[in-house]
Amino acid sequence: AQSVTQLGSHVSVSEGALVLLRCNYSSSVPPYLFWYVQYPNQGLQLLLKYTTGATLVKGINGFEAEFKKSETSFHLTKPSAHMSDAAEYFCAVRGGSARQLTFGSGTQLTVLP
Amino acid sequence: GAGVSQSPSNKVTEKGKDVELRCDPISGHTALYWYRQSLGQGLEFLIYFQGNSAPDKSGLPSDRFSAERTGGSVSTLTIQRTQQEDSAVYLCASSVFDSVTYEQYFGPGTRLTVT
Repeated sequence: AQSVTQLGSHVSVSEGALVLLRCNYSSSVPPYLFWYVQYPNQGLQLLLKYTTGATLVKGINGFEAEFKKSETSFHLTKPSAHMSDAAEYFCAVRGGSARQLTFGSGTQLTVLP
Repeated sequence: GAGVSQSPSNKVTEKGKDVELRCDPISGHTALYWYRQSLGQGLEFLIYFQGNSAPDKSGLPSDRFSAERTGGSVSTLTIQRTQQEDSAVYLCASSVFDSVTYEQYFGPGTRLTVT
């Protein structure tokens, strides 16, 4: 079974500041990890994913995440926040024979001018 | 190309009525998923279809929920005798049958309100 914990249901940063959204996972098998973004009244859009290989993964809109097996973490970062980054972010895991995603509870990112 | 589409975008129904929610996956995607997004429960998996295989119904919360997929394409999620706790956004996703990532593409969702 898999589970995901996102620390901080709400995160606020100033425009231009570093964005750090935390995600820890639990999986009994090697995980596939994903970050999705959801803008108001829209579906989920994939930001980036980790499957195998390089542990630092780059995604769209300047986001990146690093898979750290020893820490069971997959934190999402962006060096400089833009107003357009304000949205809800979901970390998700898929492992083993499971085809469905298990999602964290989400982090609402607010970007302050 | 066209993404995953869902209809209706919003549905208001009275408690006890049946509702049907529709999902059109991306053409060529053989895997289709339904999820539910609610304030209390977050994003929950409901059901998964892959080709002609028997669906994985392990996430359906009760026997009032059912889903079918016709011709390996369009899917309908049916909720019978709706209850207020069924109020949520129902999201559909599809993916190519890929052995590594199963990257899922999500539709905009159907917001269901049970009054």
